[in-house]
Amino acid sequence: ETGVTQTPRHLVMGMTNKKSLKCEQHLGHNAMYWYKQSAKKPLELMFVYNFKEQTENNSVPSRFSPECPNSSHLFLHLHTLQPEDSALYLCASSQVAADTQYFGPGTRLTVL
Amino acid sequence: QKEVEQNSGPLSVPEGAIASLNCTYSDRGSQSFFWYRQYSGKSPELIMSIYSNGDKEDGRFTAQLNKASQYVSLLIRDSQPSDSATYLCAVNLSGGYNKLIFGAGTRLAVHP
Repeated sequence: ETGVTQTPRHLVMGMTNKKSLKCEQHLGHNAMYWYKQSAKKPLELMFVYNFKEQTENNSVPSRFSPECPNSSHLFLHLHTLQPEDSALYLCASSQVAADTQYFGPGTRLTVL
Repeated sequence: QKEVEQNSGPLSVPEGAIASLNCTYSDRGSQSFFWYRQYSGKSPELIMSIYSNGDKEDGRFTAQLNKASQYVSLLIRDSQPSDSATYLCAVNLSGGYNKLIFGAGTRLAVHP
């Protein structure tokens, strides 16, 4: 595997389900990010982790819970989502925070 | 509120022409600037980064930065239909913030 990988690539879930998104970077980077991209809207930064420590929570609802066990892995735990949470969720990494970011392919999430 | 502004387009250019994409930003202290290309349904892909005033060329792409005017642009020479995509401008925040701010993107359409 190279670059930034994300699984699953597509996810359909009901509002009462619990699911997790996984991101792994193979670039030796120290910062990782979660973004949300809804149709016709700009990228919205959700969370930033720098050396495994969360350094940014961009007023994200608590139904989204991030986890960063090490510098290579990032998770986004989802529970009791709403239909308006349907979007493309993108993971990115960079050598250091605010440096050049490389994106994974994204997870297309649909909440029914 | 720190902002990055882009014309949403679509910018339509004929094949072989020069496409000019523009971006303005509000944070006068920003030091790092990036252009990403995003095809429909795909994740953003880094094209160029620029840190100093002036021009930076990479193949058919030229990034131009003017910090005094808080303006960054991307020129695409000899535009090809495969260049049709949304182009995102990203700017780092100064003042110790460890994140990039993305513009909403300009949609480019190159027609044969």
